[in-house]
Amino acid sequence: DSGVTQTPKHLITATGQRVTLRCSPRSGDLSVYWYQQSLDQGLQFLIQYYNGEERAKGNILERFSAQQFPDLHSELNLSSLELGDSALYFCASSRFPAATNEKLFFGSGTQLSVL
Amino acid sequence: DAKTTQPPSMDCAEGRAANLPCNHSTISGNEYVYWYRQIHSQGPQYIIHGLKNNETNEMASLIITEDRKSSTLILPHATLRDTAVYYCIVRVGGGSEKLVFGKGTKLTVNP
Repeated sequence: DSGVTQTPKHLITATGQRVTLRCSPRSGDLSVYWYQQSLDQGLQFLIQYYNGEERAKGNILERFSAQQFPDLHSELNLSSLELGDSALYFCASSRFPAATNEKLFFGSGTQLSVL
Repeated sequence: DAKTTQPPSMDCAEGRAANLPCNHSTISGNEYVYWYRQIHSQGPQYIIHGLKNNETNEMASLIITEDRKSSTLILPHATLRDTAVYYCIVRVGGGSEKLVFGKGTKLTVNP
């Protein structure tokens, strides 16, 4: 158990809909990362937050947004869903993202299926 | 961050050592070598990392060549539960925080 909690584990929805994925980082971790994993693209970095502020952005679509709340949990919002958005979405957390020995701890993921 | 090259797949017999190579010929002096693995569709798991010295922990050993252009992850006694995709990542220490995953090596441990 990594200590990172993601909910829900599975989500089935229809095209055009909007969903919210939730992540609670490990106790004491200030930084949260979101990754998308689809069969043909591998693990793709989406976005990172540190202590409530956006820190780095990857290949995140404009239809997707995220935020980190004062209690440090994070939510990833996906809107106008398309079939191609079906993927595993992972959240990871770390304590000091710029430290030389920093490790990321990943949650077990949310499997999103868009039908 | 420097790019890495790994074989797409490897096999290993249960109980034997698994040696997973990684080439990172463009690595720069302040970049660390990290290894993560992903078992089936679980979240990636940190294994080990190093800068230039060899490292060992309870999971594995990391051997980095003197010129730092390649490294080998060693699982000393592979078990069936070590079947996973293993990712070698180079990352600037204290720099870009995000991890960039390549395609990794699919290790299959056979009974």
